[in-house]
Amino acid sequence: KNQVEQSPQSLIILEGKNCTLQCNYTVSPFSNLRWYKQDTGRGPVSLTIMTFSENTKSNGRYTATLDADTKQSSLHITASQLSDSASYICVVSAGTGNQFYFGTGTSLTVIP
Amino acid sequence: DARVTQTPRHKVTEMGQEVTMRCQPILGHNTVFWYRQTMMQGLELLAYFRNRAPLDDSGMPKDRFSAEMPDATLATLKIQPSEPRDSAVYFCASGPTFFGNDTQYFGPGTRLTVL
Repeated sequence: KNQVEQSPQSLIILEGKNCTLQCNYTVSPFSNLRWYKQDTGRGPVSLTIMTFSENTKSNGRYTATLDADTKQSSLHITASQLSDSASYICVVSAGTGNQFYFGTGTSLTVIP
Repeated sequence: DARVTQTPRHKVTEMGQEVTMRCQPILGHNTVFWYRQTMMQGLELLAYFRNRAPLDDSGMPKDRFSAEMPDATLATLKIQPSEPRDSAVYFCASGPTFFGNDTQYFGPGTRLTVL
């Protein structure tokens, strides 16, 4: 069964600290994996898109990694800021990229 | 600053009423997606279009939901009749070209409450 699981469900960290969010999937055949940031009351914003051949991609303080063998991805946030408080959603595409499987998200709270 | 727009932003209606949500994709984008988000289910893909043609609407309850793109600047999602379980935030997103590896740009969403 095609599934995407994210952990932890929620996380609280101090401003300036680093954190890592996890995404494990059983989706096959794999096409790509996306990380989105969703602020409360807003639509998701794309952070990274990774294909099978990519194992790391950065977007500012956000770095995503992908291990296609173990079917795991992580999103690392460096030097967190209060504005990083949001929900982070992992989405895995299958086939030719037209089938989407969604994680339930990790809620991150950054406190001063 | 190009962005996806959605109207209305909020809608409260009574069970049985028709609801129409509208989306204006980013100019030049030829792929449009409709998503639904609830606390319980998270984000779900309902339907998507490429060059105004529906490619997949398998995520959508066909008996009451319909999605159309009457022109390149307007996508609509209609629910008739609406039910309380349809209460959710509905997002529209658009992508520039082949959607497989393209970035999707989301609108602000329509928060629907069906009483």
